[in-house]
Amino acid sequence: DAKTTQPPSMDCAEGRAANLPCNHSTISGNEYVYWYRQIHSQGPQYIIHGLKNNETNEMASLIITEDRKSSTLILPHATLRDTAVYYCIVRVVGAQKLVFGQGTRLTINP
Amino acid sequence: GAVVSQHPSWVICKSGTSVKIECRSLDFQATTMFWYRQFPKQSLMLMATSNEGSKATYEQGVEKDKFLINHASLTLSTLTVTSAHPEDSSFYICSADPALEETQYFGPGTRLLVL
Repeated sequence: DAKTTQPPSMDCAEGRAANLPCNHSTISGNEYVYWYRQIHSQGPQYIIHGLKNNETNEMASLIITEDRKSSTLILPHATLRDTAVYYCIVRVVGAQKLVFGQGTRLTINP
Repeated sequence: GAVVSQHPSWVICKSGTSVKIECRSLDFQATTMFWYRQFPKQSLMLMATSNEGSKATYEQGVEKDKFLINHASLTLSTLTVTSAHPEDSSFYICSADPALEETQYFGPGTRLLVL
C-alpha cells in the first residue's frame, strides 16, 4: 500500500472549516483514499473515502487533486467534538488491510 | 454505518493469566475481521487478520501462540491473550468489512491492564 504524509498536528477555531491535508504521491490507480478519525480512547470512526472524484457526506467533504497525489478532508463547521486524530489511508480496491500512519491531531479551540 | 462491538470494554488481570476479548459484527456478516493493538500516544498496529473457518494470518513479529484468534462464526471473532504479562497491556481494537462494501468498521476497543 502507498504511504501517506500528514502534518502531526493542527488547530482550528470552533465554527470554522477545518482543512486537513494528506500527501499520497505514490498512490496507484486502484487505490482509494480513506479518512478515519479516532477520538480519545475510542475505536476509529469511518469518515469518508474516494477514488478520484470529490466526495461529500453528512460528516465531511473529500477533495482529491486531479493527479491524485494529495487530498484534503474538509470539516465544514468544526465543533469541539471534532477534536481527534485524523488518519488518511490509501487502500487497494478489493484488498482488506488498513495500514495506519501517525495521523494528524486536530484540536478545535473554542 | 455498520456496528461492531467488543467485550469487555476494559479488563484487569494478573500476570500469567489468559484473557479473552470478543469482537462481534452486530448487523452484518463478516468473513474477515481484523485485530489491532495500540499503545499510548501511538498509532494502530495491525496484529492479525481473522478468517472465518480458517486460521488467522498474523503480521510479522506477532506471536501466534501468544495471541490466539478464533473466528468461529460470521459474526464473532475472539482474541485470547495467553499468559499475559505487563508488556501486553494495551488497547486492543477489532474491525470488520461488511460484504460488498468498501468500508471497514471498528469496534470501540478493549483496554487491557496486566498487573
